[in-house]
Amino acid sequence: AQTVTQSQPEMSVQEAETVTLSCTYDTSESDYYLFWYKQPPSRQMILVIRQEAYKQQNATENRFSVNFQKAAKSFSLKISDSQLGDAAMYFCAYRSARSGGSNYKLTFGKGTLLTVNP
Amino acid sequence: GAGVSQSPSNKVTEKGKDVELRCDPISGHTALYWYRQSLGQGLEFLIYFQGNSAPDKSGLPSDRFSAERTGGSVSTLTIQRTQQEDSAVYLCASSLTGTGKYTGELFFGEGSRLTVL
Repeated sequence: AQTVTQSQPEMSVQEAETVTLSCTYDTSESDYYLFWYKQPPSRQMILVIRQEAYKQQNATENRFSVNFQKAAKSFSLKISDSQLGDAAMYFCAYRSARSGGSNYKLTFGKGTLLTVNP
Repeated sequence: GAGVSQSPSNKVTEKGKDVELRCDPISGHTALYWYRQSLGQGLEFLIYFQGNSAPDKSGLPSDRFSAERTGGSVSTLTIQRTQQEDSAVYLCASSLTGTGKYTGELFFGEGSRLTVL
């Protein structure tokens, strides 16, 4: 079974600075998807960024980018120019690219609580 | 609807009572998922629906938990004889399809916070 590990329970960053959240995963598969979700106090999970394992290029969405190291099974999230609204719990998630069975569901890490200081 | 809708937003119940949590997915989404989020924990998968059938119920923690989906739309998660350890936020998500080589994104509701006294 796949597992996702987020080794940083909490992180803090100064407004306008850059922060990197770590995520590692364990899988025997070669094709899969990786995600970072953000959960603000409203509780609703919001997709931040997505990476397909077959793509070598790291995904980027405005101030958010990832460092995907397939061989190392590492998937870190970098937030540039941090804003107060970035404060939230961030979850890393894995999904198999196979169809059927139990492959459709997302497996989540335990999350990293990000605080942004003004 | 525009997004995934869950009700109630908050539920306080006494130990031993039954509770029902409702999820209304995004219109047209065939796949529906229930997750549980306990304090300080990540998201624990409970059950997955494709249409009205549940190919994977492996995450349901005990036989006190059950879920159904009707009309390929609304789903209800029922917890019978609630225990204090059932206290958590129950999140529902939906997606366009649960099979095939798609992008995998799940769209989440705001969750139902259950407190068992």
